[in-house]
Amino acid sequence: NAGVTQTPKFRILKIGQSMTLQCTQDMNHNYMYWYRQDPGMGLKLIYYSVGAGITDKGEVPNGYNVSRSTTEDFPLRLELAAPSQTSVYFCASRLESPTGSQHFGDGTRLSIL
Amino acid sequence: GDSVTQMEGPVTLSEEAFLTINCTYTATGYPSLFWYVQYPGEGLQLLLKATKADDKGSNKGFEATYRKETTSFHLEKGSVQVSDSAVYFCALSDQQGGSEKLVFGKGTKLTVNP
Repeated sequence: NAGVTQTPKFRILKIGQSMTLQCTQDMNHNYMYWYRQDPGMGLKLIYYSVGAGITDKGEVPNGYNVSRSTTEDFPLRLELAAPSQTSVYFCASRLESPTGSQHFGDGTRLSIL
Repeated sequence: GDSVTQMEGPVTLSEEAFLTINCTYTATGYPSLFWYVQYPGEGLQLLLKATKADDKGSNKGFEATYRKETTSFHLEKGSVQVSDSAVYFCALSDQQGGSEKLVFGKGTKLTVNP
């Protein structure tokens, strides 16, 4: 039961560097999401996707990009890393059901120095 | 827009104590309501949910009732254990735009001491 798998688990970047956070799920879920979790602030939605080839912005999309070429994968890209992007990033997925719940990965802890 | 407000922590209890974590929401329409739990170093896991008014969600001894009249979804457990130590998030589903998005509260950290 792999569920939602995120890589890497930890990463340190320098300001201005770029990187891609990987997310893959093996549950054939159409809906996928990226969140960031800042201390004491709950989770904020960055981007989401309702199926392959379809993505849309969430609450805090600036500085990020996503793509969804397959049902399984939903990578998140940071083009020019900034200290404000230091956070823990969570990927989630769910079935296309009005009452379906989201399944979360274990997160990627990203520090930008 | 939709929002969720939950009681601020941290909350520290002794084993076997009664737990209540308050959660209220603001939403247009009729959202589904959720409680998620996050154990240290892990992602969020669904604890329980309720999809309509007066529904009671329950799991692992935890309960919460969807109260439309008070726009609340308070989490309760009669006797907490050390293993319940975690951060608890209340959330609602926002169906606007044809796609479900979750709106989370800020989380409440619970520590249970033996």
